[in-house]
Amino acid sequence: DTEVTQTPKHLVMGMTNKKSLKCEQHMGHRAMYWYKQKAKKPPELMFVYSYEKLSINESVPSRFSPECPNSSLLNLHLHALQPEDSALYLCASSQETTDTQYFGPGTRLTVL
Amino acid sequence: RKEVEQDPGPFNVPEGATVAFNCTYSNSASQSFFWYRQDCRKEPKLLMSVYSSGNEDGRFTAQLNRASQYISLLIRDSKLSDSATYLCVVYIVGTYKYIFGTGTRLKVLA
Repeated sequence: DTEVTQTPKHLVMGMTNKKSLKCEQHMGHRAMYWYKQKAKKPPELMFVYSYEKLSINESVPSRFSPECPNSSLLNLHLHALQPEDSALYLCASSQETTDTQYFGPGTRLTVL
Repeated sequence: RKEVEQDPGPFNVPEGATVAFNCTYSNSASQSFFWYRQDCRKEPKLLMSVYSSGNEDGRFTAQLNRASQYISLLIRDSKLSDSATYLCVVYIVGTYKYIFGTGTRLKVLA
């Protein structure tokens, strides 16, 4: 089973709202990732967690705050977003950071 | 120069045709290589990893040329369901990062 789940599937929020995206995997993977994807563009890496520790932050604005409560869960907390943050947010996981990544179905975020 | 480059297409081919995509990468420290397929408004899905000796999975064949720093994907007997964007992905040793190409769009026509 190579399933990564994400909730919610769709999210509409105002610029003053606080919301969270959730990602879960039960494959025993030790690396988890957040990506942002705009239409007709490839995914852009935001954060990498390895063994529940933040390994990479790709200079992401502080209005995006990742959290890895345990090895199966990854959250992305959103606060004071801008309309240009509207995108598909993808979570992925891999056994180790050197291994094949498996993507969740994504959360389609619209910021009004 | 982009780290991973692909022809964005679109490649419009008739059903049953053979089509090939290339992808070039600039970092010689690149360690692992993958082809992902992405349908419109869906997540990328692993199509195949690419090994040094080349590998085949049904109608799909992937090749790696380390000397020239490119990988290729060959699709034989194209089906309508092969219509998608094909993403070339490179893992660079020691960086924790997967670098995505911009993707090549394929349309298989009836």
